[in-house]
Amino acid sequence: SQQGEEDPQALSIQEGENATMNCSYKTSINNLQWYRQNSGRGLVHLILIRSNEREKHSGRLRVTLDTSKKSSSLLITASRAADTASYFCAEKAAGNKLTFGGGTRVLVKP
Amino acid sequence: NAGVTQTPKFQVLKTGQSMTLQCAQDMNHNSMYWYRQDPGMGLRLIYYSASEGTTDKGEVPNGYNVSRLNKREFSLRLESAAPSQTSVYFCASSLTPVGEKLFFGSGTQLSVL
Repeated sequence: SQQGEEDPQALSIQEGENATMNCSYKTSINNLQWYRQNSGRGLVHLILIRSNEREKHSGRLRVTLDTSKKSSSLLITASRAADTASYFCAEKAAGNKLTFGGGTRVLVKP
Repeated sequence: NAGVTQTPKFQVLKTGQSMTLQCAQDMNHNSMYWYRQDPGMGLRLIYYSASEGTTDKGEVPNGYNVSRLNKREFSLRLESAAPSQTSVYFCASSLTPVGEKLFFGSGTQLSVL
């Protein structure tokens, strides 16, 4: 399986703190994507970073990509209770398939 | 806009029964996908359809069949359900290129007894 690994598996922080989660993957990628899943819901696309990009921002989200280490990180700044969710990285290699990691469960305590 | 609509939301089957999960999108997307999600795991791709008229196997296609009925609809069929197919099934769609910026439905929780 090409499934990547996310670290940590679970994260608990106080509202207002930053949350950082990491994703490692195994193959050469075309791009890497991050998704959020609220409990009992489908996934929502957050951000896509291409293999020739090193950093990307979207609102309170910051994603970095290090292709030499085959890793990516997602930083959520100034977290809110509404950020409580599971976060998944997904790697797209050559071809059409998008492969998801196991996810990081984030709990933001008010 | 409804986005991606899946039916049913919940289903209980007995081993050996068959059923079809329905999925429709109203975003004029070219590509559609079926994933399954098991507890504590990420999503695994079952089948996908890059465009109307084409379907391809994903990572875990055994025990499933799909039909891309038209541009809007992509169904997943379990011919003879097994307990190992107990899972949450998600349908998704995307514009182009394939495999980028997927929009997901809310899922079907399937239990096979």
